[in-house]
Amino acid sequence: DAMVIQNPRYQVTQFGKPVTLSCSQTLNHNVMYWYQQKSSQAPKLLFHYYDKDFNNEADTPDNFQSRRPNTSFCFLDIRSPGLGDAAMYLCATSNGQGGPYEQYFGPGTRLTVT
Amino acid sequence: GENVEQHPSTLSVQEGDSAVIKCTYSDSASNYFPWYKQELGKRPQLIIDIRSNVGEKKDQRIAVTLNKTAKHFSLHITETQPEDSAVYFCAASRGNTPLVFGKGTRLSVIA
Repeated sequence: DAMVIQNPRYQVTQFGKPVTLSCSQTLNHNVMYWYQQKSSQAPKLLFHYYDKDFNNEADTPDNFQSRRPNTSFCFLDIRSPGLGDAAMYLCATSNGQGGPYEQYFGPGTRLTVT
Repeated sequence: GENVEQHPSTLSVQEGDSAVIKCTYSDSASNYFPWYKQELGKRPQLIIDIRSNVGEKKDQRIAVTLNKTAKHFSLHITETQPEDSAVYFCAASRGNTPLVFGKGTRLSVIA
């Protein structure tokens, strides 16, 4: 089945220790998104790729970086995680051709910072 | 940019009653309005969406209405069941821009 996959589902990292979260998709969608979601809040868009074009939200901290080496994969790098970065990180995809189209969310990675 | 307001933030209904959640948006060019349901610890799941060329859409017990003039859209759930309990998010976008989410409504259906 076509889907959005996130690994790992749970990640524990230490304060200040770099961590990478991964997302892959079999939908062949050209748009990929990374969201941060904290408890009881709406998903907050960090950045998105339209094909290879990277779009950073103005309030996304510099501590957060992303890579999209190909259509199927996208990575979220947190260079120096702080306690405030503990959250659920959601990857999503959509077909951006002639949109708007539905966004498909992955299951998320829950990040704990100790 | 787009701003989406969602009300109420919490809603409790008796099983079998109807639930209505309302959202307003600011960008008159927005043309896509999805609703997501998120259960605890799970991903947001699209439950229904509407585009600006349609005023109402229904899928079994769920319906969405859109008033473009007033720039608001609403989610209606009829004959609520305990499994409808979740957080519901509305969102809006135009063209290929990312979705802008409302802050969510926590719906509790009391058996």
